[in-house]
This record gives sequence, structure tokens and C-alpha cells, in this order.
Amino acid sequence: KNEVEQSPQNLTAQEGEFITINCSYSVGISALHWLQQHPGGGIVSLFMLSSGKKKHGRLIATINIQEKHSSLHITASHPRDSAVYICAVARGSRLTFGEGTQLTVNP
Amino acid sequence: EPEVTQTPSHQVTQMGQEVILRCVPISNHLYFYWYRQILGQKVEFLVSFYNNEISEKSEIFDDQFSVERPDGSNFTLKIRSTKLEDSAMYFCASSGVKGPGYGYTFGSGTRLTVV
Repeated sequence: KNEVEQSPQNLTAQEGEFITINCSYSVGISALHWLQQHPGGGIVSLFMLSSGKKKHGRLIATINIQEKHSSLHITASHPRDSAVYICAVARGSRLTFGEGTQLTVNP
Repeated sequence: EPEVTQTPSHQVTQMGQEVILRCVPISNHLYFYWYRQILGQKVEFLVSFYNNEISEKSEIFDDQFSVERPDGSNFTLKIRSTKLEDSAMYFCASSGVKGPGYGYTFGSGTRLTVV
């Protein structure tokens, strides 16, 4: 069993829709990261969470430590949000990555 | 905004050859990492480096791999004798004035193709 599970694997939305991507993990962590990977391969860090909720623009990330679960929400989605969104958990000095969620937002 | 710089962006090498992948981390960061992503698979941790020594490594990081911080700015990953299965995107990252999880920044990657 993977230590980090994401759902869904693929998500297609219409522009303007509210999007939720989920991440569950099975190990003790010091923090959880949400990252974005574009088709060229580059990885951009979106959030680091150890508790509660963070917001940046149209992106909101939440974490429930007791339930070992995190969600990434995108409000008013736009075609430029199309990318792979990856959840990664921090243990010691390493990140363990989920498989990623491929998001496609159609105009 | 500060960046992690990786060179080259793409390298093709013959099986059995040595390759060195180079990275310039963010200047005031203290923790340095290499990750790899085989095409179509998830990103995997290779090694972390702090205070001029390896702090953690994965089972992938065997004797074929080594890391070095030869001066105050560069951080390199060497693969001694490349195999076909080493073909992947290699990402360098750095973090942390406050600790290993803080300010994680990835480079844009080096795509290594072993033929």
C-alpha cells in the first residue's frame, strides 16, 4: 500500500467550477506539501501545511492531522490551472510523493 | 524570486558512462536534495544533504550514486556507470533556513536519457 494516496487520479472540469483534490496518508508526518507540475516537468511548491488551513489566491489547502487527510481546493477554476497536482508528506528530511492528480480545465 | 538552477536541462549518455548533474541551490538554504521521476511514475526521493554530509538516502541511492558540494554554491549528483533504468528526470531542491520542510524550492530538472 502506498504511504500517500491521492484521489481522483484524473479530473476534468469546466471553467469556473470548484475543484477538490484529496490526499490521505498512512504514516506520521511533520508537514504536508501540495505541489504543481506542468507538462514541461517543472515542480512548483504551492503550500506547506502542518495544521489547519492556508489560502493563496484561488487555492485553499486544508489538513486534518487526526484523520491523516488533506484537501486542495481551487475556486473559480481556469484553463491555466490545468496541471498535475501532487501531495507529498515530509518525514525526516525526505518528501514522499503521491501519484498526482491530472487536472484539465476546459474553457 | 530566488531559483534553484539545474544544468544541463537535457543530457543523453551511453550506458556505462559517468554523468554529473549540476545544481545551484538558493544561496541561504541549508538543506539540499535530489529526487528523480521516471517517465509516467511518481517522484522519488534519492538523497538529502546537510552540513556537508548526507543526512538521509533512499534504497535507490546505491554505490553508483554520489553527491558533493564542491564549493559554496554548487551541489552535484554523480552517477558512476549509468544503466538504461537510470533514464529519468532528476530534480534538485533546496530548503530551509528554518528547517528541512520550510521554503522547499525545486529546480526545473535535468532529463537524463541513457542509450
